[in-house]
Amino acid sequence: SQQGEEDPQALSIQEGENATMNCSYKTSINNLQWYRQNSGRGLVHLILIRSNEREKHSGRLRVTLDTSKKSSSLLITASRAADTASYFCATPNMEYGNKLVFGAGTILRVKS
Amino acid sequence: ETGVTQTPRHLVMGMTNKKSLKCEQHLGHNAMYWYKQSAKKPLELMFVYNFKEQTENNSVPSRFSPECPNSSHLFLHLHTLQPEDSALYLCASSQVWGRVNEQFFGPGTRLTVL
Repeated sequence: SQQGEEDPQALSIQEGENATMNCSYKTSINNLQWYRQNSGRGLVHLILIRSNEREKHSGRLRVTLDTSKKSSSLLITASRAADTASYFCATPNMEYGNKLVFGAGTILRVKS
Repeated sequence: ETGVTQTPRHLVMGMTNKKSLKCEQHLGHNAMYWYKQSAKKPLELMFVYNFKEQTENNSVPSRFSPECPNSSHLFLHLHTLQPEDSALYLCASSQVWGRVNEQFFGPGTRLTVL
């Protein structure tokens, strides 16, 4: 299975702390994407990192990609209560039209 | 209106009912997707349409029937569903199928099959 796997499954932190989530995958990729989902809602695209990039920033988000280890991390700095959500990594299956394969997600709870 | 919209947001139906889910995207995209999200399971891709043509059907039971009349609209027709079909059904769109690009999701339809 190509499926990305997020770690940890759940994370609870205090507002202002940093949150780090990890994603591992199994096959070669040309990019990796992170999405956020608030409870019972649709997914929102956060960031896309290509396979030739090692790190990317977007506001309070920092994503790293290590293709040799087939892993990625998402760091949210100075977390806020509004960051409470599920976070998913998604990798494209290049054999099937870059179909996105989503992991099971990390549930992040930020306590105020 | 912007983004991807879905109606209805909530649907309760019996196993013998016929209902339809509707998705509309206002982003000028050419690819549209149906996903199923069940509790504690990863998101499952059901169907993909690219320029109105179905390109993917991930072994979805025939009680789910998609329809894409144009690049902006996508329907999922439901017939004789089972209780295990209860889930959040998400529609998404992207520029085009097969290339590296992000997907934009609608808010989903929460379906309960009694």
